Amino acid sequence: DQQVKQNSPSLSVQEGRISILNCDYTNSMFDYFLWYKKYPAEGPTFLISISSIKDKNEDGRFTVFLNKSAKHLSLHIVPSQPGDSAVYFCAATAGSARQLTFGSGTQLTVLP
Amino acid sequence: SAVISQKPSRDICQRGTSLTIQCQVDSQVTMMFWYRQQPGQSLTLIATANQGSEATYESGFVIDKFPISRPNLTFSTLTVSNMSPEDSSIYLCSVEFRGSYEQYFGPGTRLTVT
Repeated sequence: DQQVKQNSPSLSVQEGRISILNCDYTNSMFDYFLWYKKYPAEGPTFLISISSIKDKNEDGRFTVFLNKSAKHLSLHIVPSQPGDSAVYFCAATAGSARQLTFGSGTQLTVLP
Repeated sequence: SAVISQKPSRDICQRGTSLTIQCQVDSQVTMMFWYRQQPGQSLTLIATANQGSEATYESGFVIDKFPISRPNLTFSTLTVSNMSPEDSSIYLCSVEFRGSYEQYFGPGTRLTVT
């Protein structure tokens, strides 16, 4: 039972355009969501997070949107750069449990 | 954030043997975790490494197969015991600082079992 789903295994965008990565979850107990970026042969790098009490969080080129009623979150990258090409994972946690549940990842390719 | 290192970075091991992976952090952290990423899969939590007490294992993972130590607030080890080819994965440690939900990951250990 996948509690966190990333239905698009891959996404290609042109440099300078917007990249939108999507994530859905099923567990209504999740109250904190995170996005990670992973390059080959490296560990995941934390990008941005959002609490369930918010619907938007922005950090530079990265913005995360949360729609609790739809149990959906998305990561927007504007403008996209070739260095953004990586696998992006969304993750979620519930209350004091601290354990992260990860989605399956989306391979983003930014074309120059 | 913190600097997190893992040793070894990669290894090729024979089935039936064991490998111990080390995770070192350059500052004291409250929480340390061990994850596995099997080929083509997402990250799966193996256990939470508790300082001074037994680790807390997730469903499907047992102490006999994945013994974990955490002698202090900056260091932990994960042992993969009696390895089989199915244990071929990337093993990652992560840390969380007090008051934060964000976890920061080490570079990973790529294990191949032949």
